Amino acid sequence: DAGVIQSPRHEVTEMGQEVTLRCKPISGHNSLFWYRQTMMRGLELLIYFNNNVPIDDSGMPEDRFSAKMPNASFSTLKIQPSEPRDSAVYFCASADRAWNQPQHFGDGTRLSIL
Amino acid sequence: RKEVEQDPGPFNVPEGATVAFNCTYSNSASQSFFWYRQDCRKEPKLLMSVYSSGNEDGRFTAQLNRASQYISLLIRDSKLSDSATYLCVVEWAGYALNFGKGTSLLVTP
Repeated sequence: DAGVIQSPRHEVTEMGQEVTLRCKPISGHNSLFWYRQTMMRGLELLIYFNNNVPIDDSGMPEDRFSAKMPNASFSTLKIQPSEPRDSAVYFCASADRAWNQPQHFGDGTRLSIL
Repeated sequence: RKEVEQDPGPFNVPEGATVAFNCTYSNSASQSFFWYRQDCRKEPKLLMSVYSSGNEDGRFTAQLNRASQYISLLIRDSKLSDSATYLCVVEWAGYALNFGKGTSLLVTP
């Protein structure tokens, strides 16, 4: 079975550019999560969708970050404009029901903003 | 956001050794607990859930002490392939998972 699929795997871009990260959750999972991981802060939850609806975006660092989930099989995380401090690994995860369930992670997108 | 605290290590142990990791959490209302494993430059992967009665999966044993808000992971007969970072994970707010920063394990020949 296909797991969570993220693209691109790596992204290197200059500050000020728009960055779009993509995620396809596991089929049938109705909960989707975007995380950011850095050495200093570890794994941080950015936003959580349930049945394609954003439920908690309190972890989104600032207005430069936005996320959408237009359907059950696709989500995007966008950074515009990007800054060097946004450099991190961004993970997407999905779960079958949100409550008290383990989450399954994609391979991540390694983002470097120069 | 409630905290999950882990000793970052690294724990360096020889093959065949037994090693234990501990984790404390601050949200007494948490209901679900997990251990994830993360290899270098890879995604976190679920290792095992942690149940109140304690549970075992092969060489791995997880324990939960709700009164002390403490979770442990015991690895017996360590293998070289066990080298990784082990993340203690605690549910909060029902849907979200709060991840510890991880404990690094290196198993040496």
